[in-house]
Amino acid sequence: GNSVTQMEGPVTLSEEAFLTINCTYTATGYPSLFWYVQYPGEGLQLLLKATKADDKGSNKGFEATYRKETTSFHLEKGSVQVSDSAVYFCALPGDSSYKLIFGSGTRLLVRP
Amino acid sequence: AAGVIQSPRHLIKEKRETATLKCYPIPRHDTVYWYQQGPGQDPQFLISFYEKMQSDKGSIPDRFSAQQFSDYHSELNMSSLELGDSALYFCASSLGVSPYGYTFGSGTRLTVV
Repeated sequence: GNSVTQMEGPVTLSEEAFLTINCTYTATGYPSLFWYVQYPGEGLQLLLKATKADDKGSNKGFEATYRKETTSFHLEKGSVQVSDSAVYFCALPGDSSYKLIFGSGTRLLVRP
Repeated sequence: AAGVIQSPRHLIKEKRETATLKCYPIPRHDTVYWYQQGPGQDPQFLISFYEKMQSDKGSIPDRFSAQQFSDYHSELNMSSLELGDSALYFCASSLGVSPYGYTFGSGTRLTVV
């Protein structure tokens, strides 16, 4: 079945550093891919998505490109802020469209 | 814009008690999903409903049941609570069965003592 693997955290960066969080997937066909963010004590928020190969999702300075050749959807940001500290989840639909399968989450801590 | 509303936000129950969690989807959304997130874990899919019918079932214990009502709100009923049921429970909604428009609520934090 569909699955997703993302890099383990925590990732600790200084403010204005470059961020990459790796995500690779296994899937039948070319499903939509998502990044969700969870700030401390809060729910899951959709950060960005890509619905087909070579699409680039972007939001709040974050970007991720759907690469079918490498089955990857890595999250990047050129200059992180303290307010970006959160847990980031890569996700894709399960074998049925009724559910999302999440990666294990990567905790990002940005220090001033 | 209206979001997914979950109630209560926090709930404390004793072992072997029952709990009911409620989810009010975004207006016009007809599909509801329930997820469980243990401490430091990724969200795990429990169950989903489309047009008031169960559409998919994940790792939901037999002690749990859920339903979607005519106004599309959903309730997750949990009986014989165990310490391991302590978790964040998220509800999400979408229009139709596609996950393209998946919006999560803020969750209910259940603590079993």
